[in-house]
Amino acid sequence: GQQVMQIPQYQHVQEGEDFTTYCNSSTTLSNIQWYKQRPGGHPVFLIQLVKSGEVKKQKRLTFQFGEAKKNSSLHITATQTTDVGTYFCAGRGGATNKLIFGTGTLLAVQP
Amino acid sequence: GAGVSQSPRYKVAKRGQDVALRCDPISGHVSLFWYQQALGQGPEFLTYFQNEAQLDKSGLPSDRFFAERPEGSVSTLKIQRTQQEDSAVYLCASGGTSSYNEQFFGPGTRLTVL
Repeated sequence: GQQVMQIPQYQHVQEGEDFTTYCNSSTTLSNIQWYKQRPGGHPVFLIQLVKSGEVKKQKRLTFQFGEAKKNSSLHITATQTTDVGTYFCAGRGGATNKLIFGTGTLLAVQP
Repeated sequence: GAGVSQSPRYKVAKRGQDVALRCDPISGHVSLFWYQQALGQGPEFLTYFQNEAQLDKSGLPSDRFFAERPEGSVSTLKIQRTQQEDSAVYLCASGGTSSYNEQFFGPGTRLTVL
């Protein structure tokens, strides 16, 4: 079945450093969404990418969808302590409303 | 407006007991999803409803798991004869009809089976 992997599993950075997490799907995706889950919380929607090669920015966050629509990345510039949490990509393949979540990247930010 | 709510927030069950987990989606949301999230893992899809119709139940791990949404709003996930491996957080999410809609998650129910 469809699998979505993320690397790294864990990243520890000093406040102000940049951070990137990578998401790779075993199959072509129709769209990909990114969610953030704070410790003890629930996933919260960040953004959706639909088009091949699409790049979207939200303040310090930059999201990219690969040309083949099988991979994606999230880059955070100048991390802050409020960025702490686990970042999940979640993809849809084909004509389905079912989301397959990635394995997640836990970001720790040291002040 | 109110978000997705789930109850109970915490449930401790003895192995072999039946449990029922409730989800109240955002009013007007047509789609409703159930996920299982083990510690340190991403949410895993269990089942999906559009209104009262269960369109996909491919993620339910066994026939001990059953979900319903009889009137197209509130949904219940029932687990019969709970096992220790059922211990996890059960998340409910709701959204629109399109596969391009975002999903709004509830706080989850943490189930611990002893």
